[in-house]
Amino acid sequence: ELKVEQNPLFLSMQEGKNYTIYCNYSTTSDRLYWYRQDPGKSLESLFVLLSNGAVKQEGRLMASLDTKARLSTLHITAAVHDLSATYFCAVDSITQGGSEKLVFGKGTKLTVNP
Amino acid sequence: DSGVTQTPKHLITATGQRVTLRCSPRSGDLSVYWYQQSLDQGLQFLIQYYNGEERAKGNILERFSAQQFPDLHSELNLSSLELGDSALYFCASSVGTSGSVGTQYFGPGTRLLVL
Repeated sequence: ELKVEQNPLFLSMQEGKNYTIYCNYSTTSDRLYWYRQDPGKSLESLFVLLSNGAVKQEGRLMASLDTKARLSTLHITAAVHDLSATYFCAVDSITQGGSEKLVFGKGTKLTVNP
Repeated sequence: DSGVTQTPKHLITATGQRVTLRCSPRSGDLSVYWYQQSLDQGLQFLIQYYNGEERAKGNILERFSAQQFPDLHSELNLSSLELGDSALYFCASSVGTSGSVGTQYFGPGTRLLVL
């Protein structure tokens, strides 16, 4: 059974600093997704990483995927308060019978302090 | 706005009752997914439908059931409600092409409170 682990689960950082969130998964998959969730709100798609070595950037966020290491990172550059949210990674999972679903990590709650 | 709609936004009910949550996917999306999000359990996948047929099951209780109708909207039925069923219930949709789940687009959620 596919397991997805994120760390850290809680991250408090100062504005202007850099940090990385890690997402490890237990079985082979070529697709990884990052989502953002603001408190009490829905999940918003940030990135889709489709192959080994894929890198995507938007604003202060950059995501990468290493399928051999089964690892994705979400790097935050020069954090600002607006980035405070919970970030989830999710991985494609082929279930018994060939059906497919996403398996989500527990999420990383990021708080950016002034 | 993801294009996925859910009703109602809030629901307050009593233990033992039954409720129905409704979801309309994005135009063109054939797959609908249901998730439960609570503080202690995180985001839990419940069930997926693709073009009217059940495709994948997750941690869905026997008291819960779902269906997807010919117009592709979906309903999640929760019965014999317990206090622990209080949570945020999300619906998500995707195109659902074979070989990849693809990006899922989440609705705004239904917040259920069981008293």
